[in-house]
Amino acid sequence: ILNVEQSPQSLHVQEGDSTNFTCSFPSSNFYALHWYRWETAKSPEALFVMTLNGDEKKKGRISATLNTKEGYSYLYIKGSQPEDSATYLCAFKGGANNLFFGTGTRLTVIP
Amino acid sequence: GAGVSQSPRYKVAKRGQDVALRCDPISGHVSLFWYQQALGQGPEFLTYFQNEAQLDKSGLPSDRFFAERPEGSVSTLKIQRTQQEDSAVYLCASSSSATGYLSPLHFGNGTRLTVT
Repeated sequence: ILNVEQSPQSLHVQEGDSTNFTCSFPSSNFYALHWYRWETAKSPEALFVMTLNGDEKKKGRISATLNTKEGYSYLYIKGSQPEDSATYLCAFKGGANNLFFGTGTRLTVIP
Repeated sequence: GAGVSQSPRYKVAKRGQDVALRCDPISGHVSLFWYQQALGQGPEFLTYFQNEAQLDKSGLPSDRFFAERPEGSVSTLKIQRTQQEDSAVYLCASSSSATGYLSPLHFGNGTRLTVT
């Protein structure tokens, strides 16, 4: 089992604040890194699929960076809104046939 | 809608009963994954299909767990003689990518299994 770690485990931010969290993964045998957003009572929704070292992806107020050499990815949310409250999951694809998920960062945005 | 559909949404089983969980992936999606998510944990891989072929079942926790996708579309995850430790949310996901990682996974809403 590969070690995919996310930090922090949870955080609370005020509406309007910007925030970021981290996904750490093995730096060898890298194929892809996925980010998903999972709102309560819904299904996980894909945010980004990243494959190249130095990749930066953006979707509205959410962006992500990737460093495959040191084994980490950051997810940034600019100007957090209450609707951003969710669990954010990253998933690492190495040489195996599947994606290994972290335990997620649970974000709560306080109005 | 054309998303991934899972049924039932909730299942309560008495210990020792057999259960069958169904997944209808997005039409035409080649790859299908089953994940198990225990409380407070991230999704853990169970098994992977490419069309009807089960290419990886290394995550199935015991021989009580069995999955099939006989015609390369609908998949069923069967758990025999359920135990309390099988209580979890079972997520199904499909992908248009043949290898399942260059395209995002599309998840169903999951089946929450409670074994009493």
